[in-house]
Amino acid sequence: NAGVTQTPKFQVLKTGQSMTLQCAQDMNHEYMSWYRQDPGMGLRLIHYSVGAGITDQGEVPNGYNVSRSTTEDFPLRLLSAAPSQTSVYFCASRRDIEGTEAFFGQGTRLTVV
Amino acid sequence: TQLLEQSPQFLSIQEGENLTVYCNSSSVFSSLQWYRQEPGEGPVLLVTVVTGGEVKKLKRLTFQFGDARKDSSLHITAAQPGDTGLYLCAGDMAGNQGGKLIFGQGTELSVKP
Repeated sequence: NAGVTQTPKFQVLKTGQSMTLQCAQDMNHEYMSWYRQDPGMGLRLIHYSVGAGITDQGEVPNGYNVSRSTTEDFPLRLLSAAPSQTSVYFCASRRDIEGTEAFFGQGTRLTVV
Repeated sequence: TQLLEQSPQFLSIQEGENLTVYCNSSSVFSSLQWYRQEPGEGPVLLVTVVTGGEVKKLKRLTFQFGDARKDSSLHITAAQPGDTGLYLCAGDMAGNQGGKLIFGQGTELSVKP
């Protein structure tokens, strides 16, 4: 029972580099989302998807792209990494849009130098 | 500015004390959830409240959803060292923002023996 799987767990990037954070879930959940967690800020919503082919912006979308070509996968792309994107990133999935439990991956700790 | 204001952000108490954490907003939520997060892990759901005025109990934890569905509280009775962790409230945006699960800043609780 894998649940939500994020890769990699740790990553160091140089300013200006691009990369993709991977997220996969095996629960056939329609709703998936990406958050970043910074000290004292809780989790802030970056992008979310309510189903394959449908994505929308969250609270802090700038500098990030997403796509949802399958129900299982929801990758997050950093186009040109900046030190301000140093954070812990969490992917989550839910069965339905509202009122259901969000299942989280273990997180990706990203450092941009 | 956080859509969901959580207070206090830090709380250090002695074993056996009671405490309350508050989650407030000017927005209406269709449901509100409380999560607990351990270091190095993703948040894990404690409870979901859906109806205005609803009260739910989970052993020594009592959760309340405000009548207007804009605020919530978490009360812990006779705190124990095992309650130590980060507590996060999260609200499902209502109406045409359905699909957005927004988190508060979190409350870092430390219970000393």
